[in-house]
Amino acid sequence: NAGVTQTPKFQVLKTGQSMTLQCAQDMNHNSMYWYRQDPGMGLRLIYYSASEGTTDKGEVPNGYNVSRLNKREFSLRLESAAPSQTSVYFCASSLGHYSGNTIYFGEGSWLTVV
Amino acid sequence: RKEVEQDPGPFNVPEGATVAFNCTYSNSASQSFFWYRQDCRKEPKLLMSVYSSGNEDGRFTAQLNRASQYISLLIRDSKLSDSATYLCVGPPPDNRTPDQRNSGAGSYQLTFGKGTKLSVIP
Repeated sequence: NAGVTQTPKFQVLKTGQSMTLQCAQDMNHNSMYWYRQDPGMGLRLIYYSASEGTTDKGEVPNGYNVSRLNKREFSLRLESAAPSQTSVYFCASSLGHYSGNTIYFGEGSWLTVV
Repeated sequence: RKEVEQDPGPFNVPEGATVAFNCTYSNSASQSFFWYRQDCRKEPKLLMSVYSSGNEDGRFTAQLNRASQYISLLIRDSKLSDSATYLCVGPPPDNRTPDQRNSGAGSYQLTFGKGTKLSVIP
């Protein structure tokens, strides 16, 4: 079972470059999320989409944009990458956007901005 | 400010030992809590849910203490394969207005603790 698939797994960007992280889930989940994880900071929510057609800011949205392309896909875009965006990015999904729903994560994307 | 706080760790324990992690939360109305496990350079995965009555799964026991607002994870007979970072997960404070709560509007996002690293030593 694929679950949550995100690409690319590794990427090196130069400051100011743009890129899009792609994410797709095959579990028919309604809600999708983008997190970043930094040493000592834990997982922090960047943006989420509670359902198809909606997106909302999380804890650390600055410098990012998202698109919920359809029920399966949720992309994260860095318009002008900065070294502070060097991090591990996790896409995730859940059946619904409620605290009782289990969140399933993709394998992560390691991004380095130089 | 994180609303879910965990023991900072790291915990270094010998094989066979019993180890417990605690996690405090601030939203007294919280209903759902989880423990996730994250291996090095891997994604977090659900270990177990924590409900009002607590629950047990083999060597793992999760407890909820509402009076003191903390949850705990107990691992008995530690194995080398238990070495990982354990993330406490719960809802953030409920900032909805009373009308929103009454109408059921709004929904919680899960808040992840920073994690506690466990190393089981041979």
